[in-house]
Amino acid sequence: SQQGEEDPQALSIQEGENATMNCSYKTSINNLQWYRQNSGRGLVHLILIRSNEREKHSGRLRVTLDTSKKSSSLLITASRAADTASYFCATDSLYTGFQKLVFGTGTRLLVSP
Amino acid sequence: SAVISQKPSRDICQRGTSLTIQCQVDSQVTMMFWYRQQPGQSLTLIATANQGSEATYESGFVIDKFPISRPNLTFSTLTVSNMSPEDSSIYLCSVVGLAGEQFFGPGTRLTVL
Repeated sequence: SQQGEEDPQALSIQEGENATMNCSYKTSINNLQWYRQNSGRGLVHLILIRSNEREKHSGRLRVTLDTSKKSSSLLITASRAADTASYFCATDSLYTGFQKLVFGTGTRLLVSP
Repeated sequence: SAVISQKPSRDICQRGTSLTIQCQVDSQVTMMFWYRQQPGQSLTLIATANQGSEATYESGFVIDKFPISRPNLTFSTLTVSNMSPEDSSIYLCSVVGLAGEQFFGPGTRLTVL
């Protein structure tokens, strides 16, 4: 089944720095969504970007989508210790079924004070 | 976004027993799903919980092992049957919002001894 690959697998930065995570997928998509998960708890929805969109912003978050390269990136600006979490991208497509999400492998972000 | 609750939040069970997990949403939703997150892994879709009909299972998941009920548009249950240690995971329900975002419940952390 299609699965997004995320890189890096782990990222360690200092507070105030920017963090960039990348997600690649294999087939054409309907939507791509980014999530945050703290310490094995539930997932927090961050941003949904549709296949016909190229960029979206939400507060300190910026998501880009390049359908020609089948990739997306999540940028967190001015990071805080509270941003420490795992971040996942998830896609749905005609191939997998509408709203049936296929998740990437995730990036573990550590933000040190 | 919808408010989703799950019960129990965690449980420790003996092998060979069954556990039923409940998912309650504060508003009526059409689409509801169940996912599994094995330790250190990403999320995998188990099934679509269909209101008024049998659930639709993904490859590798069967109704005898993971029976699902969806009696109305705000509630669903997932049962993990005849459990083994390999079933130790976080189980999450999700719903689709009006704009297409998929929101997740807080998860049920299951440990099978």
